[in-house]
Amino acid sequence: QSVLTQPPSASETPGQRVTISCSGSSSNIRSNYVYWYQQVPGMAPKLLIYENSQRHSGVPDRFSGSKSGTSASLAISGLRSEDEADYYCSAWDNRLNAWVFGEGTKLTVL
Amino acid sequence: QVQLVQSGADVQKPGASVRVSCKASGYTFTGHYIHWVRQAPGQRLEWIGRIYPNSGSANFAQKFQGRVTMTRDTSINTAYLILNGLNSDDTAVYFCARERHLVGFDYWGQGTLVTVSS
Repeated sequence: QSVLTQPPSASETPGQRVTISCSGSSSNIRSNYVYWYQQVPGMAPKLLIYENSQRHSGVPDRFSGSKSGTSASLAISGLRSEDEADYYCSAWDNRLNAWVFGEGTKLTVL
Repeated sequence: QVQLVQSGADVQKPGASVRVSCKASGYTFTGHYIHWVRQAPGQRLEWIGRIYPNSGSANFAQKFQGRVTMTRDTSINTAYLILNGLNSDDTAVYFCARERHLVGFDYWGQGTLVTVSS
């Protein structure tokens, strides 16, 4: 079982807003920063968000991150077809002494 | 520009070992952790461990302790992942990634497919 829980899929139409959730625990999300990565199938992941809500260099401001307690979320507004990808949350886990990832959420732009 | 270039796909038999390389360029190799992350077909990302190239010190996820080694050659800016005792569950794409402190894994290699098959 995964330490970080994400919905397996999400979908929305172009131009709309979608939110992807990430649920963890006191040993990971509550205690440490959350990171978000975007992965197009067959490619390496790309860093989107660091320190819960900071956009990595070159990431459009349509992407935003937030954290509260043991949960985090990634919001994407003004959806575009190129946003179709898998999205992973990640955090350091103090109990496991390891970086942990969510199961990933497959975003479909209808 | 920062680049991480990994070795090519590999096929190994069960019980064998595999070595994957990750050549860094465009930054000071000894100044950043290199992490190894793998992804089995259709599965989530899984952290294997990290090495600090300056000292060679490495930490591993508990799941891999005892059968993983991480080394580096600072003369050629290359990090290596060695995984022993391979089984079919080790079939995956293996990625190296650079860590920038507090920013996360900001650059990734292109991935190396390791297939374990008899």
